[in-house]
Amino acid sequence: KNEVEQSPQNLTAQEGEFITINCSYSVGISALHWLQQHPGGGIVSLFMLSSGKKKHGRLIATINIQEKHSSLHITASHPRDSAVYICAVSKVEGGADGLTFGKGTHLIIQP
Amino acid sequence: DAGITQSPRHKVTETGTPVTLRCHQTENHRYMYWYRQDPGHGLRLIHYSYGVKDTDKGEVSDGYSVSRSKTEDFLLTLESATSSQTSVYFCAISGKNRDEQYFGPGTRLTVT
Repeated sequence: KNEVEQSPQNLTAQEGEFITINCSYSVGISALHWLQQHPGGGIVSLFMLSSGKKKHGRLIATINIQEKHSSLHITASHPRDSAVYICAVSKVEGGADGLTFGKGTHLIIQP
Repeated sequence: DAGITQSPRHKVTETGTPVTLRCHQTENHRYMYWYRQDPGHGLRLIHYSYGVKDTDKGEVSDGYSVSRSKTEDFLLTLESATSSQTSVYFCAISGKNRDEQYFGPGTRLTVT
């Protein structure tokens, strides 16, 4: 069983819709990361969080440590939000041994 | 943006040939990582380094070796490339907050 599970694997929505991507993990973590990857592109860090909630523009990330669950929300979605969103965790404090990743959620926002 | 470059960006090589990928950083960060990304598997850690000459294995290290002789450079070597090593390879470094990671642009390697 993967230590980091994401759902859904694929998501197609209309422009303007509220989007939720979920991430569950089964290991102890020091931090959880949300990453974005556009087609053929590099990987960009959106959020790193160890508790509570963070907001950046139209993106919101939440984490529930007790339930080992995190969500990434996109409000007023736009076609430029189309990308793969990846959840990852740092299992050791300081992330010294690298990140463990989910398999990603492929999001398509149609105009 | 963190100053991370990878070279080459694209490479096609034949089975059995040695290949070296280079990751270069200008941030003077201690921790560097090599990941591979494959459809159906996502990103997986190959090797990482926690200082000059200090390296350790990750989840998928078989067939790969690494070296770090300078803080700014982390090399990934495929001693004898195989078709199963066709992948996109990403280098990453840790930021001032060691939990944070910044990724390089990636190297697409095809082994024929």
